[in-house]
This record gives sequence, structure tokens and C-alpha cells, in this order.
Amino acid sequence: GESVGLHLPTLSVQEGDNSIINCAYSNSASDYFIWYKQESGKGPQFIIDIRSNMDKRQGQRVTVLLNKTVKHLSLQIAATQPGDSAVYFCAENNGTSYGKLTFGQGTILTVHP
Amino acid sequence: DGGITQSPKYLFRKEGQNVTLSCEQNLNHDAMYWYRQDPGQGLRLIYYSQIVNDFQKGDIAEGYSVSREKKESFPLTVTSAQKNPTAFYLCASSKPGIAKNIQYFGAGTRLSVL
Repeated sequence: GESVGLHLPTLSVQEGDNSIINCAYSNSASDYFIWYKQESGKGPQFIIDIRSNMDKRQGQRVTVLLNKTVKHLSLQIAATQPGDSAVYFCAENNGTSYGKLTFGQGTILTVHP
Repeated sequence: DGGITQSPKYLFRKEGQNVTLSCEQNLNHDAMYWYRQDPGQGLRLIYYSQIVNDFQKGDIAEGYSVSREKKESFPLTVTSAQKNPTAFYLCASSKPGIAKNIQYFGAGTRLSVL
């Protein structure tokens, strides 16, 4: 079946740098995408979402970009902090009414002081 | 505080034993979900429920069972038929409508086999 995948399993950055986490999806019917942050031993925490009728959405220090042409989305974190260290998942909904999400493998982000 | 409570945080299962993981939410959400997470992997859907007294199998339902007798509760039973139950189990809930797809997660239950 179709699934969401990530280009990079790990990402290391210095504190204060900007981070970019990428995600590829293959289901052209997907119309909604979510980024989650998961710290060790905890449940995923919602960061930001974007619908397929948008190309960009901004939150506090985070921006999600969606390129439907190449089926790619990215999460940009500005001025990365040590507290941002976690696993980041993208998830897609393929348009079903009940909100089923398909999760990618995850990217480990490590921020060095 | 509103949220999703999973218990216990850690659970151990003996061979041949059924164990039940609890999930309670006070967010007044209609939909609830159970996921399994293995090390270094994403979340895989076990069961979901859109409304009380109704639930559907997800991608990896074999060896698991659920019930949804109350809106607030969605317990998951890991049966003896599940031969590889060691994993991190996550419960989530969401509300219908425009925000229906944002799923909010509990803190998880880590299940190990003795």
C-alpha cells in the first residue's frame, strides 16, 4: 500500500541554527498532513498541520511547506533549541472521513548546545 | 486538565496471558484510536472507533481486541494470540468536524513479555 516516508532518519544541528526535516508521500489522494514531535518515552505531540489547498503554513518558530507536484512536505524549525531534540513524524490522511493517519518512519533531531 | 490518560505506564505479560491497556479521555472526542510503535518505526494503527459501540480494525488488528462502551473509554486487550506483543502502545482521540484529523495522544503504555 501507499505510505509516507522520510528522506533522512537523523539530523544534527547546532543550537540557534534552522532545521529542515523532509517527508515524501506517495498517495496523491492525501489531502491533509500533520507534523508530530515525540520525545523519548512520551506520546506524539501535535506541532502543525496543513491542508492540500495550501502550500505553506506558519506557526510559532515552525513552518510547514507542501509541494504537491513532487509529493513532498517539509518542517522548518527556526532558531533550533535543545528542547527541540526529539523524533519528528509526518502523517498523512488520504481523504477518509474518519481521519485515519498514515505515519512516516520518523526523523531524529539532535540539537547540540 | 483535559487530556488522554493511559494506564499503566509499564505492563508485563506472561506467556498465554491476556492483558488490558486502559485509555480514558475527557476531551469529549468522538473518535479514538490505538497504535503500536516498535523501536525506530512509525505508528501502526491497531483499531479505531468513530462512535460509541462501534469500532473497526486497523492495519494490524490480529491478536488484539477492543470495546467502546463509553465515549470516554477505549480499552485495548492484547490477547495470547499476539505472539510478539512487546511494543509501545499509544492511544489517541480526535473530534469530528473541521479539526477531525488532529489526533491527540496519551503518554503511552510500554508492554513487555516476561
